[in-house]
Amino acid sequence: GQQVMQIPQYQHVQEGEDFTTYCNSSTTLSNIQWYKQRPGGHPVFLIQLVKSGEVKKQKRLTFQFGEAKKNSSLHITATQTTDVGTYFCAGLMDSSYKLIFGSGTRLLVRP
Amino acid sequence: EADIYQTPRYLVIGTGKKITLECSQTMGHDKMYWYQQDPGMELHLIHYSYGVNSTEKGDLSSESTVSRIRTEHFPLTLESARPSHTSQYLCASSDRGLLNTEAFFGQGTRLTVV
Repeated sequence: GQQVMQIPQYQHVQEGEDFTTYCNSSTTLSNIQWYKQRPGGHPVFLIQLVKSGEVKKQKRLTFQFGEAKKNSSLHITATQTTDVGTYFCAGLMDSSYKLIFGSGTRLLVRP
Repeated sequence: EADIYQTPRYLVIGTGKKITLECSQTMGHDKMYWYQQDPGMELHLIHYSYGVNSTEKGDLSSESTVSRIRTEHFPLTLESARPSHTSQYLCASSDRGLLNTEAFFGQGTRLTVV
C-alpha cells in the first residue's frame, strides 16, 4: 500500500539550533499537510501545501512541497522549548480520500 | 477549537467484551477517519469514510468495524476485544475537496484490554 516515510525518527537539539524533518511518499500526492502533536495530545494542523514546488512560511517554520509532489520538508529556525513535540506529515493520496500519516519526527529541545 | 468529540476518553475492559467507541462532529464534514496510535508512535489509518453509507478499510488491518449512518456520527466497534487491541484510537474529520482538507482530531480514546 501507499507509504509515507519521515526522517529522522528523533532529533535532539540545543535551543536556538535549527531543525529539519523530511517526508517522502511512495506515490504522488494531491496535497501534503503538516501536524504537530504534543506529548499526551492529539495532532494539530499546521499547514497544507497543494502546488508543486510550493513554499510557505509561518514565523520560524518553513514548509516545502517537492516538484514531483512526492516529498516535503519542514524547517524550524532557532528552535525554542515550545517547539517540542512530534511533527507528522500527512499525504492526501491522488484520486482518493485517504489521508496517510508519515512515521513522524520527535523533536526534543534542550534549554 | 474543533467540534469533534470522542467518548469515552479512557476505557479499561476485559477480553472478549464488545465495545463501541463513539465519534461525533458538528462541522458537517463529509470525510471522517479512524487512526490507531500507540504511545509515541505513528498514526495508522484503520477506517475512513467519504460520506453517509460509505466506509473503507485503511492500510492497517483491523478487526474493528465502522458505520456511517449519519454525517456527524462515525462509531467504531470491536466485537470481541483482545489485549492486542490496547492502543489509542483517534477520530478525525475534514471537509470535502482538495483546498480545505485540514483534519480536525478528537481527544482520542485510550483503550486498555485486560
